[in-house]
Amino acid sequence: GAVVSQHPSWVICKSGTSVKIECRSLDFQATTMFWYRQFPKQSLMLMATSNEGSKATYEQGVEKDKFLINHASLTLSTLTVTSAHPEDSSFYICSARAWTGGRDTQYFGPGTRLTVL
Amino acid sequence: SQQGEEDPQALSIQEGENATMNCSYKTSINNLQWYRQNSGRGLVHLILIRSNEREKHSGRLRVTLDTSKKSSSLLITASRAADTASYFCATDPLSGGYNKLIFGAGTRLAVHP
Repeated sequence: GAVVSQHPSWVICKSGTSVKIECRSLDFQATTMFWYRQFPKQSLMLMATSNEGSKATYEQGVEKDKFLINHASLTLSTLTVTSAHPEDSSFYICSARAWTGGRDTQYFGPGTRLTVL
Repeated sequence: SQQGEEDPQALSIQEGENATMNCSYKTSINNLQWYRQNSGRGLVHLILIRSNEREKHSGRLRVTLDTSKKSSSLLITASRAADTASYFCATDPLSGGYNKLIFGAGTRLAVHP
């Protein structure tokens, strides 16, 4: 089946530093990947749609200069949280879009827990 | 709001009992999907029901969809302690583009041995 990995699985950083999270589709190519954020005991909120070879599309209220997305290849999208602050602490989940069995499907990564001190 | 609504927010039952979770959404959809998430983990896809389907089964799972009421339900029969998790519905809206999924608030299910 389609597998999506994320790295790192968790990260702790100091306030003001930048953190990069990778999302990889391991056995398929994904022209579109999605980035979600999930606060404790809450649902997933879509942050942005990452398109290979073009600029990401951000959801309303998400700062594009703070959450930099780069989809440089068909198997890799990165999310960089710039100048992270404690309020950015969250669980970040990516998904990759693929055609499987004639159906458009999203496959989710295991998530990255970011803690900003 | 980006999210749909799910109820109940939390559900506590005994092993062997059935668990029913409901989801309501706001816009017309291509399909509705249910996911499971264990604490602090990623999402596991459970089942997808298309907008022209009314009911779907997968093992102990039964999903219904009522597009006129913009609602869906997930029934887990003969629950087990291992079913303890959060369950989310997610809709693929007709006008969303790029297969964007809109997630509900989730139901936290606790199944006690």
